[in-house]
Amino acid sequence: ILNVEQSPQSLHVQEGDSTNFTCSFPSSNFYALHWYRWETAKSPEALFVMTLNGDEKKKGRISATLNTKEGYSYLYIKGSQPEDSATYLCAPSGSARQLTFGSGTQLTVLP
Amino acid sequence: GAVVSQHPSWVICKSGTSVKIECRSLDFQATTMFWYRQFPKQSLMLMATSNEGSKATYEQGVEKDKFLINHASLTLSTLTVTSAHPEDSSFYICSASPRKNTEAFFGQGTRLTVV
Repeated sequence: ILNVEQSPQSLHVQEGDSTNFTCSFPSSNFYALHWYRWETAKSPEALFVMTLNGDEKKKGRISATLNTKEGYSYLYIKGSQPEDSATYLCAPSGSARQLTFGSGTQLTVLP
Repeated sequence: GAVVSQHPSWVICKSGTSVKIECRSLDFQATTMFWYRQFPKQSLMLMATSNEGSKATYEQGVEKDKFLINHASLTLSTLTVTSAHPEDSSFYICSASPRKNTEAFFGQGTRLTVV
């Protein structure tokens, strides 16, 4: 069973601030790392899937980096907006594609 | 993106009855689907891997006779909570991926309340 940790557990930032979260996971048997954005009453929305050490991905104001050797990934949000408020989940996956989720970081962006 | 549809989105049932939850991939075929459960204030926990045409693979601690999974076609997996009890009340959600190593797409989830 993978032990996936995310920090911080929750975060409040002002609109316009930039922020980042951390996901740490065991580096052994790594296959891929997924980031999801989950708004209340909606399905989790896939943000990124990363597989290679050193990978960096970007989608608008959101970007992520991956370090498979030390077992961590960072998610960055530049210029946070109220609509960015959600729970951000990371999940490493094994070769069978099953995801092991961290407990998530709950982001609240205050206008 | 790909669409996964899950029904019902919520259900209330009496203790001792069974409840069936459906998970459909609408625009792709999924030989494998996954069922997760979320306990209050906790993250999503994998319950089982649903394999088309064969038996599901259950995670440790998940009772296979309690949570029956059927994956009869490439676009449909069902989870049946048998003889439900109040402790089975939870949020259940399914996912599927069109291809290996791509993002998983999730259903809307099902909030089950057993009274």
